[in-house]
Amino acid sequence: RKEVEQDPGPFNVPEGATVAFNCTYSNSASQSFFWYRQDCRKEPKLLMSVYSSGNEDGRFTAQLNRASQYISLLIRDSKLSDSATYLCVVTPGAGYALNFGKGTSLLVTP
Amino acid sequence: DAGVTQSPTHLIKTRGQHVTLRCSPISGHKSVSWYQQVLGQGPQFIFQYYEKEERGRGNFPDRFSARQFPNYSSELNVNALLLGDSALYLCASSSEINYGYTFGSGTRLTVV
Repeated sequence: RKEVEQDPGPFNVPEGATVAFNCTYSNSASQSFFWYRQDCRKEPKLLMSVYSSGNEDGRFTAQLNRASQYISLLIRDSKLSDSATYLCVVTPGAGYALNFGKGTSLLVTP
Repeated sequence: DAGVTQSPTHLIKTRGQHVTLRCSPISGHKSVSWYQQVLGQGPQFIFQYYEKEERGRGNFPDRFSARQFPNYSSELNVNALLLGDSALYLCASSSEINYGYTFGSGTRLTVV
C-alpha cells in the first residue's frame, strides 16, 4: 500500500466552481502535511501547509483528520490559472523526507 | 537572490552510461535533498544531505549516490543507467534540516 494515496483525476471543472481533493496517508506517526502545486513540466511549489485545526488561504481551504488519516483541499471560485496537478505531501516531521502522493490533476475550463 | 539552480536542464544518455547531476542551493541553505519524478507519479525521495553528511536515503539501488560539498552544492550520480531511470530529477534546499523546502526546476534525464 502506498504511503500517500490520491485520486489522480483528472477533475474537469468550469470557472467559478468549487472543487475538493482528498488524500489518505498510511503512517499514523506522520506529523507534517502539505499541499504542493505542480504546473506541467515544472517543479512542485508549496501551496499551503495543513494544520490540525484546518486553515484557509484565500480561496483555498485545507483540512486534516488525524483519526481517519485524511487530508483535503478545497478550492472555491476556480480560476483558469488553478489548472495544475495538486500533490499531497506527508512527512514524519521536520528534517524528514517528503512523501508525495501521485497528484490530482485539475483542469479549469472557461 | 537566485533560487535553487540545477544543471543541466536536459540530458540524453545511453543505457549503461553514467550521469552526474548538479544542484546549487539557495544561498545560506545547508540542506539539500534529491527526488526522482517519473511521468505520472509524484516525486520519490532519493537522498538528503545536511552539512555535507547523508541524513537520509530512499529506496533506490546502490547505482545512485550523492555528495554535498563545503559550499553546500550537491551532485547526484547514477551509474549503469537503465531505461527506467528516465525521469525528472529534482533538487530541494532548506535553510536548516527542516521542511521549508524550495525545489529547483529539475534535470530531465532521458535514457535511450
